[in-house]
Amino acid sequence: QKEVEQDPGPLSVPEGAIVSLNCTYSNSAFQYFMWYRQYSRKGPELLMYTYSSGNKEDGRFTAQVDKSSKYISLFIRDSQPSDSATYLCAMEQDKLVFGAGTILRVKS
Amino acid sequence: DAGVTQSPTHLIKTRGQQVTLRCSPISGHKSVSWYQQVLGQGPQFIFQYYEKEERGRGNFPDRFSARQFPNYSSELNVNALLLGDSALYLCASSFLDNYNSPLHFGNGTRLTVT
Repeated sequence: QKEVEQDPGPLSVPEGAIVSLNCTYSNSAFQYFMWYRQYSRKGPELLMYTYSSGNKEDGRFTAQVDKSSKYISLFIRDSQPSDSATYLCAMEQDKLVFGAGTILRVKS
Repeated sequence: DAGVTQSPTHLIKTRGQQVTLRCSPISGHKSVSWYQQVLGQGPQFIFQYYEKEERGRGNFPDRFSARQFPNYSSELNVNALLLGDSALYLCASSFLDNYNSPLHFGNGTRLTVT
């Protein structure tokens, strides 16, 4: 079993939809949780960074952490074609452990 | 401000050869980490350096080595290349060596081994 599980998709939605991206993890020692966005042929770009359980909002993005269920989510409101990318969840132990990434396609 | 810069952007090598990849961190960042990203997978941790000392090493063979210089730039070396070493090699920098200080990635070096 992988430490971090993430559905690879692809997830295809119409422009303006609310997108929900999710990861589950098995290691209860993880303390920090991040979401990165990666465009084709580019490096990952940090989107959200959270420490505690609960919600954190930044513009159209909301990150949610449920440590009791070992489940994290990223919500994207009013999705745009420019949001089309691979979204990677990542968690910290003594190093960052990444999920495999979910490919998101937003159709105009 | 310039982000993390990596060179070269692309590289083609033959099995058995050696390769050196280079990384310049964001100005003021003292920690550099290296990750390998195989197509269709998330990045996997290779090394972390902080203040020129190795702070962590992932599950990679001894063919992989790295170092950090006094100006905090870093090199990743891979010897005796295998076909399976073909991947995107990402460098990331952070101000500190812990995860109170999130990682910022460069655009990577795409290595193809033939």
